Amino acid sequence: ETGVTQTPRHLVMGMTNKKSLKCEQHLGHNAMYWYKQSAKKPLELMFVYSLEERVENNSVPSRFSPECPNSSHLFLHLHTLQPEDSALYLCASSQESTGFSGNTIYFGEGSWLTVV
Amino acid sequence: AQSVTQPDIHITVSEGASLELRCNYSYGATPYLFWYVQSPGQGLQLLLKYFSGDTLVQGIKGFEAEFKRRPSSFNRRKPSVHWSDAAEYFCAVGAPGSARQLTFGSGTQLTVLP
Repeated sequence: ETGVTQTPRHLVMGMTNKKSLKCEQHLGHNAMYWYKQSAKKPLELMFVYSLEERVENNSVPSRFSPECPNSSHLFLHLHTLQPEDSALYLCASSQESTGFSGNTIYFGEGSWLTVV
Repeated sequence: AQSVTQPDIHITVSEGASLELRCNYSYGATPYLFWYVQSPGQGLQLLLKYFSGDTLVQGIKGFEAEFKRRPSSFNRRKPSVHWSDAAEYFCAVGAPGSARQLTFGSGTQLTVLP
């Protein structure tokens, strides 16, 4: 039990579909993140939310749309994805103040996405 | 901007042997440094972290890591490897005060032979 729960664990979608990934953290943290993990590549930070406001968007294509309705929940809405978007998407959370203070980031187990 | 390199993509050791996982970082000042482990089909779990102070950091599962400025490294060691240590290990660097959070290395896959 990591304290960060992601659903679904596996998702197969067509390029014209619209789907969403959900993340919930039970740790009382105020910052949440989406990372992308592709084979043979380092983890890529996609989005950062701090106090429910987006503070980082690393040039992610608009076909990925995040939503953070409150400090415990984070969504990643997916539409018209490409096969190269197939990857493991990791959600994470931490307790931060202003900027990065080095507190531990806790990861969920990830959602495996396959785009066909 | 910070960066991190893990020179070894794959390491194979026999159970009971010693292990060193290498991590080289680039950052203008003293960064925050982390080691995470990922088992198959799982998320990342923090093993240890360095912020300041004693350059030798003790982590869980018998691992330790040493922070060095020159050369800039944060190598992780374990004197005797167990079969359950087989996993992928990621080094990460964080810049103090930056909202960009962590930059991860590309990982080292550890195989343990019986």
